[in-house]
Amino acid sequence: QVTLRESGPALVKPKQTLTLTCTFSGFSLSTSGMCVSWIRQPPGKALEWLARVDWDDDKFYNTSLKTRLSISKDTSKNQVVLTMTNVDPADTATYYCARRVVLIRESYYHYYMDVWGKGTSVTVSS
Amino acid sequence: DIQMTQSPSSLSASVGDRVTITCRASQTFSRYLNWYQHKPGEAPNLLIHTSSYLHAGVPSRFSGSSSGTDFTLTISNLQPEDFATYYCQQSYSMPITFGQGTRLDIK
Repeated sequence: QVTLRESGPALVKPKQTLTLTCTFSGFSLSTSGMCVSWIRQPPGKALEWLARVDWDDDKFYNTSLKTRLSISKDTSKNQVVLTMTNVDPADTATYYCARRVVLIRESYYHYYMDVWGKGTSVTVSS
Repeated sequence: DIQMTQSPSSLSASVGDRVTITCRASQTFSRYLNWYQHKPGEAPNLLIHTSSYLHAGVPSRFSGSSSGTDFTLTISNLQPEDFATYYCQQSYSMPITFGQGTRLDIK
């Protein structure tokens, strides 16, 4: 059974650095094609993709947030860590991590996030 | 970045109805579009991947299709548990982008 669980501080002060950890089980981030993404949802707003780390350690970031984000993986611990610097009240959100898989079916690739964690709520406030 | 424009932003319907949600991409790509259902306080659930493939365990009343830059999610015979917010997401190119969401309410 594949599971992901987000953890981190519930409250962060403005201008501080937020560190979130995604701990997963049931798959290995060493497996070719496997990836883990971070996504957030501010209160009352839409889902926003933040970053992704791939099995081969490739990393990708949201265009508007990339100067503030860093993602890394620890394959031995089955963890993915996201750091966000210089947080602002606008970063208040529920943060999710999700597994992305790749499937070859009917001669082409399928890419999708099939399992998500339940999310962790982060409030940025002084 | 690829922009995904989802419509409508909200929708009211009754149990048993058939509803359609559309996502329009800012550039052409074939098939790399996924649909998720999201309920408050829960993790998003994958419904449809690669435009029209039903994810394992998802009821067959959910279906997806595409035409050019337009992608459609159809829910037939709405059930009480279907009232939620729905998002499209393109997996064609990085960065990944989501639509703005469609909130489906009970009429």
